[in-house]
Amino acid sequence: KAGVTQTPRYLIKTRGQQVTLSCSPISGHRSVSWYQQTPGQGLQFLFEYFSETQRNKGNFPGRFSGRQFSNSRSEMNVSTLELGDSALYLCASTRRAGAEQYFGPGTRLTVT
Amino acid sequence: QQQVKQSPQSLIVQKGGISIINCAYENTAFDYFPWYQQFPGKGPALLIAIRPDVSEKKEGRFTISFNKSAKQFSLHIMDSQPGDSATYFCAASLASGTYKYIFGTGTRLKVLA
Repeated sequence: KAGVTQTPRYLIKTRGQQVTLSCSPISGHRSVSWYQQTPGQGLQFLFEYFSETQRNKGNFPGRFSGRQFSNSRSEMNVSTLELGDSALYLCASTRRAGAEQYFGPGTRLTVT
Repeated sequence: QQQVKQSPQSLIVQKGGISIINCAYENTAFDYFPWYQQFPGKGPALLIAIRPDVSEKKEGRFTISFNKSAKQFSLHIMDSQPGDSATYFCAASLASGTYKYIFGTGTRLKVLA
């Protein structure tokens, strides 16, 4: 069974631009969560989608948004990029609440 | 109350030794406790997980010990190998239908050959 895939793997953007990251969950998994990983803050929860609905949201500004499609694929968008948004963005999928969460390889975003 | 505190921040162990990483939580609603292993440039990979109804779970060289009354759990890596050198994260998941995971801050393990 294929794992969680994320595209693109690497991205370089300029301050003020916006970016869209994509995540395809494991087949049969209906929940997708997004995390931001930085050396200083560790893994921080961004939001979680289940059946196209956002069920949970972390403490991030409104510049961070996401959505999920009917095939469970998810996208996250960051608008008006700031230098501090440079991070590894990880997507994880889960079949059901409290079950194993599987991560993709991440998208490394660099904001210059 | 939502935090998971992980220690130590870094750990150096000789090959063949035992690596021990500890985590503590406060929210008794947590009902699932996984450990993840992450190599540089990769996403975290699920290593082993435990639920509060058992006190210990072993998979190969990896063991989770769980102390519900103390609200602590730990990862033991027996016969540590250089290939185990990675960053380890503990996590806890909330009950009641949410998929939100709370992660510890990570432990960077280095196993010396």
